[in-house]
Amino acid sequence: GAVVSQHPSRVICKSGTSVKIECRSLDFQATTMFWYRQFPKQSLMLMATSNEGSKATYEQGVEKDKFLINHASLTLSTLTVTSAHPEDSSFYICSATERGYTDTQYFGPGTRLTVL
Amino acid sequence: SQQGEEDPQALSIQEGENATMNCSYKTSINNLQWYRQNSGRGLVHLILIRSNEREKHSGRLRVTLDTSKKSSSLLITASRAADTASYFCATPPHAGGTSYGKLTFGQGTILTVHP
Repeated sequence: GAVVSQHPSRVICKSGTSVKIECRSLDFQATTMFWYRQFPKQSLMLMATSNEGSKATYEQGVEKDKFLINHASLTLSTLTVTSAHPEDSSFYICSATERGYTDTQYFGPGTRLTVL
Repeated sequence: SQQGEEDPQALSIQEGENATMNCSYKTSINNLQWYRQNSGRGLVHLILIRSNEREKHSGRLRVTLDTSKKSSSLLITASRAADTASYFCATPPHAGGTSYGKLTFGQGTILTVHP
């Protein structure tokens, strides 16, 4: 149980385009989802916290207008990278906590974004 | 400042040997968690140790926590080539005794187990 999926797993796009990444909890209701980015050989950096039905909370230094987060249901959160640039190329990982069990996060497999 | 710093940054051992990784943190915590990440993949939750626990076991994993030193260690016994991965410690914020799920990750240790 407690499976989180991400789609797509890889995406290559041209500079200036927007890319949407989906994060789904497959077998549980995720009250909170988190979005991280990870550069090669580095740790995960939290970008934002997404609660179902409310606005996302962004970490300091993360542009909310550039990284749009929508958590429309208890099983789906989306991250849209708007007007992507090469410096946005990274590995994006989402995670989710199950209702009532906030100590453990379940991570998706990640999405590799390459902006040309 | 970085909450959760690990050493060594990289560890290379032979199959069958034990691997020990350490994590230090700066603020008080409710719990500390260890995760594994295979190359280019998501993270897998390994074990959670609460602030009132000193040691915890799960299969070949042994985690210790020393809150006085603000440090934790992860020991993998009888390592296998399949244990090759990056290992991260992570801590949630400590706010009134309630953890809100938000995690801060350490820099990680890259473990390579040679067959």
